[in-house]
Amino acid sequence: AQKVTQAQTEISVVEKEDVTLDCVYETRDTTYYLFWYKQPPSGELVFLIRRNSFDEQNEISGRYSWNFQKSTSSFNFTITASQVVDSAVYFCALSEESGYSTLTFGKGTMLLVSP
Amino acid sequence: NAGVTQTPKFRILKIGQSMTLQCTQDMNHNYMYWYRQDPGMGLKLIYYSVGAGITDKGEVPNGYNVSRSTTEDFPLRLELAAPSQTSVYFCASSYEVFYEQYFGPGTRLTVT
Repeated sequence: AQKVTQAQTEISVVEKEDVTLDCVYETRDTTYYLFWYKQPPSGELVFLIRRNSFDEQNEISGRYSWNFQKSTSSFNFTITASQVVDSAVYFCALSEESGYSTLTFGKGTMLLVSP
Repeated sequence: NAGVTQTPKFRILKIGQSMTLQCTQDMNHNYMYWYRQDPGMGLKLIYYSVGAGITDKGEVPNGYNVSRSTTEDFPLRLELAAPSQTSVYFCASSYEVFYEQYFGPGTRLTVT
């Protein structure tokens, strides 16, 4: 079974729309961390956020916000007022204590923002 | 700081050839990782290291080898290249367990 599921393979929006990228994870550990990475067309992987399993507070950073809900094992990412530069593949990843803290990635969601 | 650097950026190998992908980090991170990225499949862990002299297998280690003689360097060796090893390879490092990983720019490898 997939440990990190990003069910949306591709999302297309028009600039200034809000968009939410879903991430559902599976773990039996009580201590774990969740991450989001961005991979723009240039190919590099850019770290966006890290969240530990004991902190369910939502986080906002500019136009980006993250909603962590342990009850539904989800860690969703919302971009408000999307811009063309947000076009990228976004990966959600899980790091578990039992997995020696290595990262397990979801398959990614490709976001296309058109002008 | 250069962060994580990888060489080469691109390489074409013939079936059966061998090569080493180089990875260096200048952040004094103990933890280093090698991933491969296939289209639509996310990243899969090949090998990782928790410090100089210590390495361990990840999810897809077959056909690869690693060594870690220094904190800075973590080369990935491909022996007897096969078409299934055509992929983009990323090296990463992190300061500690559970910390964010910083990635190199990647190496695009084609085996024909």
